[in-house]
Amino acid sequence: SQQGEEDPQALSIQEGENATMNCSYKTSINNLQWYRQNSGRGLVHLILIRSNEREKHSGRLRVTLDTSKKSSSLLITASRAADTASYFCATVPLMNYGGSQGNLIFGKGTKLSVKP
Amino acid sequence: DVKVTQSSRYLVKRTGEKVFLECVQDMDHENMFWYRQDPGLGLRLIYFSYDVKMKEKGDIPEGYSVSREKKERFSLILESASTNQTSMYLCASSNRGRPLGYTFGSGTRLTVV
Repeated sequence: SQQGEEDPQALSIQEGENATMNCSYKTSINNLQWYRQNSGRGLVHLILIRSNEREKHSGRLRVTLDTSKKSSSLLITASRAADTASYFCATVPLMNYGGSQGNLIFGKGTKLSVKP
Repeated sequence: DVKVTQSSRYLVKRTGEKVFLECVQDMDHENMFWYRQDPGLGLRLIYFSYDVKMKEKGDIPEGYSVSREKKERFSLILESASTNQTSMYLCASSNRGRPLGYTFGSGTRLTVV
């Protein structure tokens, strides 16, 4: 069941520019997470933002969350060629949270290409 | 360095074979998951387990089964492999209760011929 939808599907920028990726979701959430995947590899957890938070920073990453619009954005500042990867948002729907579950539901990802 | 280890990076199997994909985590996580990833379809949850010997179906369990005999190991079994099970398989684990995110393995790219 698809929950998050990233936008754009693909993004190509020059090194040094900022990259912004958006995510929209359908149901109320407990938290939203962003992951990165290098080509042919597993996903790496980047950042988690809870439903009662509006903004969070981690190094060159800035995540915002607007629960009224059911949307989030990931900003990568001063991008580098090494940031080239696919980026996924994932949500924990409120109905799933608690107990032993809290399963993440992933979007289809944004493919970011940073040209040197 | 904590991690999730998948036994094979690449695997080629024949149609009808029984296939085992193994996943081991060293973080003492309660929850473990198997996803498959296909172009244009994103990650889809096959099965998950929140405790030893416990298992729950995800979104696409047909054609798969799982086994969790020990806390650190979660196996995905393709009872009779078919070409439409050619995919990237990703294992992940997480801690129960504290939503710190999932830790993923490097993936197994399975080709069924």
